[in-house]
Amino acid sequence: AQTVTQSQPEMSVQEAETVTLSCTYDTSENNYYLFWYKQPPSRQMILVIRQEAYKQQNATENRFSVNFQKAAKSFSLKISDSQLGDTAMYFCAFTGSNSGYALNFGKGTSLLVTP
Amino acid sequence: SQTIHQWPATLVQPVGSPLSLECTVEGTSNPNLYWYRQAAGRGLQLLFYSVGIGQISSEVPQNLSASRPQDRQFILSSKKLLLSDSGFYLCAWESSSYEQYFGPGTRLTVT
Repeated sequence: AQTVTQSQPEMSVQEAETVTLSCTYDTSENNYYLFWYKQPPSRQMILVIRQEAYKQQNATENRFSVNFQKAAKSFSLKISDSQLGDTAMYFCAFTGSNSGYALNFGKGTSLLVTP
Repeated sequence: SQTIHQWPATLVQPVGSPLSLECTVEGTSNPNLYWYRQAAGRGLQLLFYSVGIGQISSEVPQNLSASRPQDRQFILSSKKLLLSDSGFYLCAWESSSYEQYFGPGTRLTVT
């Protein structure tokens, strides 16, 4: 079974600074996908960024980027120039063929951006 | 563009009462659909997924059931709610590139 671990329950960062959220996963699959989702206080789950395991290049979406280390099974999210609106729960998620492509979520990291 | 709707947004039901939560997707055909539950302060737990009309897979044994009567409609039901069924229920559809997009969710409180 695939497991996703987020070891930082809570983090805080000052506005305009950079923060990195950690995620590790365990799988025996070779082809899979990794995601970061954001859940603000409204509780709407919003897809932030996506990484295919077969791609060596790290994904980037504006201020959000990942550091994907396949051998180490690590998938961290870097948020640059943090904004107050980035305050939210962040979930790392894994999907692969063995799970029927259902998402396996970590327990989340609560990020607080302070002025 | 694709949109996903869920209703109701909030529901308070007594123990032992029935439940019906509805999810509909617009702008896509024959998507894979998913029901997740999120307990307070925790991650998401997959409940059911469906790859087509009438095709339901259950991930967790419980008193909940799901049905997919139409291509873009996914329903979560229960005949008798338990206190432990309280939570935030999210429906999602999956794109061709395995990204899942979530609806706004239903907050269920069983009293």
